[in-house]
Amino acid sequence: RKEVEQDPGPFNVPEGATVAFNCTYSNSASQSFFWYRQDCRKEPKLLMSVYSSGNEDGRFTAQLNRASQYISLLIRDSKLSDSATYLCVVPGGNKLVFGAGTILRVKS
Amino acid sequence: GAGVSQSPSNKVTEKGKDVELRCDPISGHTALYWYRQSLGQGLEFLIYFQGNSAPDKSGLPSDRFSAERTGGSVSTLTIQRTQQEDSAVYLCASSSQPWGLRYEQYFGPGTRLTVT
Repeated sequence: RKEVEQDPGPFNVPEGATVAFNCTYSNSASQSFFWYRQDCRKEPKLLMSVYSSGNEDGRFTAQLNRASQYISLLIRDSKLSDSATYLCVVPGGNKLVFGAGTILRVKS
Repeated sequence: GAGVSQSPSNKVTEKGKDVELRCDPISGHTALYWYRQSLGQGLEFLIYFQGNSAPDKSGLPSDRFSAERTGGSVSTLTIQRTQQEDSAVYLCASSSQPWGLRYEQYFGPGTRLTVT
């Protein structure tokens, strides 16, 4: 089992839609989690941090289920500018382990 | 303020040549990380620096890869005798806290390495 697994997508959604991504992780000792966003041919940038059960920031909500070892990212009222790859990130030992990412394409 | 910078932005080299990739972290950031990202793949951890020391080199793929950091600032990743499978984007990140596991890592724009 990979340390961090994500559905690669792509998720193709219309503007205004609500979309959710899931991520599963194998390290049950992990305490903090992150969602990074990566635009095409750009570097990753932090979108949200999750330290407890969840976090909300505007249209974005991240939720953590420790028992099932998964993290979700919910995007409401999708915008064209939300089109990107979303990376789930989990501490693994002394480093951060990045998932391969989920591609989101928002269409007008 | 200035972010993480990397140079060169693009590097094309012939198989068997050595290359050096440079990373300038955000001023004052003690933690520095190197990753590589192959086409369509996730980020692969290479090495972590805390100050000038590298507590974790576990991700370096082979002994052809080495890295150093001087003055707690600039870091250089060296790949000797490059192979085609080394072609990837090499990303550097820095963080203000040790290990950076609870704190944001700020990424540079990357160096796109192509080995022909």
